[in-house]
Amino acid sequence: QKEVEQDPGPLSVPEGAIVSLNCTYSNSAFQYFMWYRQYSRKGPELLMYTYSSGNKEDGRFTAQVDKSSKYISLFIRDSQPSDSATYLCATDTGRRALTFGSGTRLQVQP
Amino acid sequence: ETGVTQSPTHLIKTRGQQVTLRCSSQSGHNTVSWYQQALGQGPQFIFQYYREEENGRGNFPPRFSGLQFPNYSSELNVNALELDDSALYLCASSPTGEGYGYTFGSGTRLTVV
Repeated sequence: QKEVEQDPGPLSVPEGAIVSLNCTYSNSAFQYFMWYRQYSRKGPELLMYTYSSGNKEDGRFTAQVDKSSKYISLFIRDSQPSDSATYLCATDTGRRALTFGSGTRLQVQP
Repeated sequence: ETGVTQSPTHLIKTRGQQVTLRCSSQSGHNTVSWYQQALGQGPQFIFQYYREEENGRGNFPPRFSGLQFPNYSSELNVNALELDDSALYLCASSPTGEGYGYTFGSGTRLTVV
């Protein structure tokens, strides 16, 4: 079993839709939770991070962490074609080595 | 200088050969990590360097090695290349070493034939 599980998709939605991306993890030692966006032929770009449980909002993006169920979510409101990319969840025990999910490929149709 | 720069962008090597990949980090970024990303997978942690010393390693064999230099540049060396080493190799640097502080480069696409 992988430490971080993520549905690979692909996920296709119409422009303007609310997108929900999810991950589960198994290691209760994970403390930091991050979402990265990766465009084709590019490196991952940090979108959001949270520490421990709770919600964090930044513009159209909301990250949620539920440590009791070991569940991580990213919501994208009013999705745009420019949001089309692969979204990677990642966790960190605090010892700096990131553990990534396999990524979910998102396609937002105009 | 801003951002993380990796070279070369693409590379084709033959099985059994050795390869060196290079990374140039932002000034002040004392921590650099290397990741391997196979096609359709998330990045996997190879190792991390802090002030020129390796201070963390993932589940990769010793033929994967690295160096970090005082000028914020670093190298990933892979000996005795295998076909499964074909992947995107990502360098990430951070001023603090905290997981959320990493900036990734665009990577080097290595193909082993």
